[in-house]
Amino acid sequence: DIQMTQSPSSLSASIGDRVTITCRASQSIKNYLNWYQQKPGKAPKLLIYAASSLQSGVPPRFSGSGSGTDFTLTISSLQPEDFATYYCQQSYYTEDFTFGPGTKVDFK
Amino acid sequence: QLQLQESGPGLVKPSETLSLTCTVSGASINTNNYYWAWIRQPPGKGLEWIGMRYYSGSAYYSPSLKSRLTISVDTSKNQFSLRLTSVTAADTAVYYCARHYGLATPTGLNWFDPWGHGTLVTVSS
Repeated sequence: DIQMTQSPSSLSASIGDRVTITCRASQSIKNYLNWYQQKPGKAPKLLIYAASSLQSGVPPRFSGSGSGTDFTLTISSLQPEDFATYYCQQSYYTEDFTFGPGTKVDFK
Repeated sequence: QLQLQESGPGLVKPSETLSLTCTVSGASINTNNYYWAWIRQPPGKGLEWIGMRYYSGSAYYSPSLKSRLTISVDTSKNQFSLRLTSVTAADTAVYYCARHYGLATPTGLNWFDPWGHGTLVTVSS
């Protein structure tokens, strides 16, 4: 199976900050990488699919990049509603989809 | 607008069977290119994919759960279901149903969207 790691596991940031979260796959997954946002007590929400495509309705301050094994989620200017946990997910190996452990973004 | 809603018992005894249903509204479950999936999240932990099924029959199951797992689709009720046997405390989690798109498309790029609100299932005597 494909293992996913994320860094950092948590970060503290202020409104307006640029935030970058990294996701790494244990082997190449091309661009088969999705990002989800989860707020406390809520279901995950798709933000980015295919590594860099913005899901409909998601603000353009969110962007994704990368291919192969290394990927990045960037929030260009952090807003109050962006405090949440972010998960990456590989969709390359369809016998066992796997998620990263998550990155919690909280208020500095 | 597509909505998914999980339902089922919130408490299951160890060694018994966990059964959940996801009701789909706003779209037909027998639509091409969509699988219907289950994902779970133990309290305070990360997300684990459980498995998914196409309306016409093909299915993918997590290797770690495959021996205990059945996912079925009922097109007449626009529902799909999860059945997990011989549960232990390790199966305690919030269970989400979700629509999976893309596996059958030319690129194969695929993702889970949208998700249901989730339902907490506790395994305890």
